[in-house]
Amino acid sequence: QSMLTQPPSVSAAPGQKVTISCSGSSSNIGNYYVSWYQHLPGTAPKLLIYDNDKRPSGIPDRFSGSKSGTSATLGITGLQTGDEADYYCGTWDRSLIWVFGGGTKLTVL
Amino acid sequence: QLQLQESGPGLVKPSETLSLTCTVSGGSFSSSNYYWGWVRQPPGKGLEWIGTVYYTGSTYYNPSLKSRVTISVDTSKSQFSLTLSSVTAADTAVYYCARLPLRYFDPVKFDYWGQGTLVTVSS
Repeated sequence: QSMLTQPPSVSAAPGQKVTISCSGSSSNIGNYYVSWYQHLPGTAPKLLIYDNDKRPSGIPDRFSGSKSGTSATLGITGLQTGDEADYYCGTWDRSLIWVFGGGTKLTVL
Repeated sequence: QLQLQESGPGLVKPSETLSLTCTVSGGSFSSSNYYWGWVRQPPGKGLEWIGTVYYTGSTYYNPSLKSRVTISVDTSKSQFSLTLSSVTAADTAVYYCARLPLRYFDPVKFDYWGQGTLVTVSS
């Protein structure tokens, strides 16, 4: 069982908006930066969001991140079929380990 | 452009030791600004952090794997390696190596990843 809790799946229609939550604790999200990753089958995970809300170069502004207390949220607007993937949150933990969420499968209906 | 490439056997027998190497090119390996790490994904499951290493050789490991894992560095070759002993079918996974930038000595993200390599544990 992961130390970070994500919903197993979310879905929305093309063009709509979806949010994915990531719940942790004061030993991880509450005191460290959160990052988000998009993982398509057969490819390496891709960094989408870092430092809670920053986007790397090349990531469209349809992707956004936020953090409040011990929870973080990934938002995706203007959904496209190409956004169908697994999404993971991750952060460092006070016990000196990296933790990933269990992953959320996004379906674009 | 930084590149990471995993290498090693794709098939390991049960009870034996899995060994993988990650070769880093196009950037500074022996920098104080980064950790280097291993992540795996078993079939049908999520990402699992295995451990990280600093260029000095200091390491952090996933507690669930700590008794079987060793991660080491060879700065002369810009490589870091993973060994996982006493493997079982549950260790079958795609194994990724990646870079973790540091801020105030804490890793903040995985920003560059290798393409991943499938390791199957089977007799």
